[in-house]
Amino acid sequence: AQSVSQHNHHVILSEAASLELGCNYSYGGTVNLFWYVQYPGQHLQLLLKYFSGDPLVKGIKGFEAEFIKSKFSFNLRKPSVQWSDTAEYFCAVKPPGGGNKLTFGTGTQLKVEL
Amino acid sequence: NAGVTQTPKFRVLKTGQSMTLLCAQDMNHEYMYWYRQDPGMGLRLIHYSVGEGTTAKGEVPDGYNVSRLKKQNFLLGLESAAPSQTSVYFCASSPLGTLSYFGNGTRLTVT
Repeated sequence: AQSVSQHNHHVILSEAASLELGCNYSYGGTVNLFWYVQYPGQHLQLLLKYFSGDPLVKGIKGFEAEFIKSKFSFNLRKPSVQWSDTAEYFCAVKPPGGGNKLTFGTGTQLKVEL
Repeated sequence: NAGVTQTPKFRVLKTGQSMTLLCAQDMNHEYMYWYRQDPGMGLRLIHYSVGEGTTAKGEVPDGYNVSRLKKQNFLLGLESAAPSQTSVYFCASSPLGTLSYFGNGTRLTVT
């Protein structure tokens, strides 16, 4: 079945460490890609999105993601994490011909320790 | 501008009881969605609507019904709640593009 995979379920980092969260999808054709963040007890907020153009996308709070079409990947990165980045991160894909529906990955729980 | 508002925020039901979750958006968005979020499973689409008066099934529609009588409201109903429906429910809306705006969620427990 076509899907969105986030292989890192739990990540623990120290402050100032670099972050990379993996996201792979299995849809062919043109897709739109998203990363959402959910802080504890809150709703999902959009971090960044990719529709077309430059495959390196910059989002809010110093996050960026790179779309690599040949690898069907859209990994999220941040050079130096902060304690306040502790949250759950979701990759989402709008498949081709999927209307406006998003398919979400299972999420990665990030904990940043002081 | 309130965005997407969900009511109630918390609810506890007994097995077999019914309830309706309300989602309201004030952004004049065409698309509205109901997701459930369960640990280790991400968000799964229950039902969605592409406009007033229309609804469609998502990935996990069984046990739920929806209605979109007004463009700004999208109701999710549970006719006979089951413990498997214990979850956090999120409503979202989007314009004809693909950005989705989420509500704050409803935590439902079915005992």
